[in-house]
Amino acid sequence: ETGVTQTPRHLVMGMTNKKSLKCEQHLGHNAMYWYKQSAKKPLELMFVYNFKEQTENNSVPSRFSPECPNSSHLFLHLHTLQPEDSALYLCASSPSGSGGNEQFFGPGTRLTVL
Amino acid sequence: DQQVKQNSPSLSVQEGRISILNCDYTNSMFDYFLWYKKYPAEGPTFLISISSIKDKNEDGRFTVFLNKSAKHLSLHIVPSQPGDSAVYFCAASEVWGAQKLVFGQGTRLTINP
Repeated sequence: ETGVTQTPRHLVMGMTNKKSLKCEQHLGHNAMYWYKQSAKKPLELMFVYNFKEQTENNSVPSRFSPECPNSSHLFLHLHTLQPEDSALYLCASSPSGSGGNEQFFGPGTRLTVL
Repeated sequence: DQQVKQNSPSLSVQEGRISILNCDYTNSMFDYFLWYKKYPAEGPTFLISISSIKDKNEDGRFTVFLNKSAKHLSLHIVPSQPGDSAVYFCAASEVWGAQKLVFGQGTRLTINP
């Protein structure tokens, strides 16, 4: 595998379900990100992790719980979501520090909440 | 309050012609700008960037122009090719190396043969 991978690619869940999204990067980066893209809206940054530590939480509701066990893996745990949480969830990675602004994205997980 | 705006949701251009995608921003603290391209079922991929100390950056068929006084940037693709059909996002950050990127909502470019 190369680049940034995300699983599953599609997920349908009920409002009472608990599910997790997984992201893995094979680029040797130390920063990882979760973004949300709702229909016809810009990508919204949700969380940033640097060297496994959360450094940014963009006022995300607690029903979204990120986990970063190491610099290569990032999870987003989902619990009691709402239909308006249906969106494309994108993971990205980048070098930390002086690596510039370029972020490398995975293909995303298309989430539908019923 | 959207700080980065792409006012054209879609654009259709004939193959071989120039494609011009526009982006406006409101935050005068933005100092670094990027363009990403996204194909269906794939994540966005970095295309080209520009720092506020420049007004132009070129990479092959892609050129980005920055007009700081107007808070406007544009991406020129010439000549346009069918493989350029994708959604294009502009993004901005306050400093080079910053991890917080603010994205526009994207413009869908279609290149017609």
